[in-house]
Amino acid sequence: AQSVTQLGSHVSVSEGALVLLRCNYSSSVPPYLFWYVQYPNQGLQLLLKYTSAATLVKGINGFEAEFKKSETSFHLTKPSAHMSDAAEYFCAVSESGGYQKVTFGTGTKLQVIP
Amino acid sequence: NAGVTQTPKFQVLKTGQSMTLQCAQDMNHEYMSWYRQDPGMGLRLIHYSVGAGITDQGEVPNGYNVSRSTTEDFPLRLLSAAPSQTSVYFCASTPSQGQPSSPLHFGNGTRLTVT
Repeated sequence: AQSVTQLGSHVSVSEGALVLLRCNYSSSVPPYLFWYVQYPNQGLQLLLKYTSAATLVKGINGFEAEFKKSETSFHLTKPSAHMSDAAEYFCAVSESGGYQKVTFGTGTKLQVIP
Repeated sequence: NAGVTQTPKFQVLKTGQSMTLQCAQDMNHEYMSWYRQDPGMGLRLIHYSVGAGITDQGEVPNGYNVSRSTTEDFPLRLLSAAPSQTSVYFCASTPSQGQPSSPLHFGNGTRLTVT
């Protein structure tokens, strides 16, 4: 069975500071990993995804994530936080099992302090 | 460029009432699903469909029914609403089931309150 753990339900950073959102996964097969972002009163949008082509994945809005198999991690980073980055971020793992089985983490709310 | 459209955006029900949450997509996606989002619990899968006429249960199906008569539409029915069903509901689709690399496309959600 697959699972996702996001450490820290709330993270606060100052504008211009590094953003680091943590995600660890467990999967019995090579995983497909995703980060989604949810702005207030909106649905989730894809930020980036890992599909084994490259361990460092670049996404939209300056975000990137690195797949580390030895640590079973897929942490999301951005060098310099912007006020518009304030949102909730979800890590997700996907496996093929007759249908696309997607498991989401519990989410991390990012607050950016001016 | 509509994508996934959910209606209504907000709904308040009394315990025991029934209602249908609508979901439509215009991307010809085979796979459609319903999730509920609750604080601290992430998104949990309620029901999903891999094509017209085919539906199956997800992680938390109790109290909900679905059907899929067309590729475009995937309504979620609450037959007798309970306060435990107070949540935000999201519909999501993806082009093809069985392709784990394919991301989900989400609607903007329906915020349901059951009193």
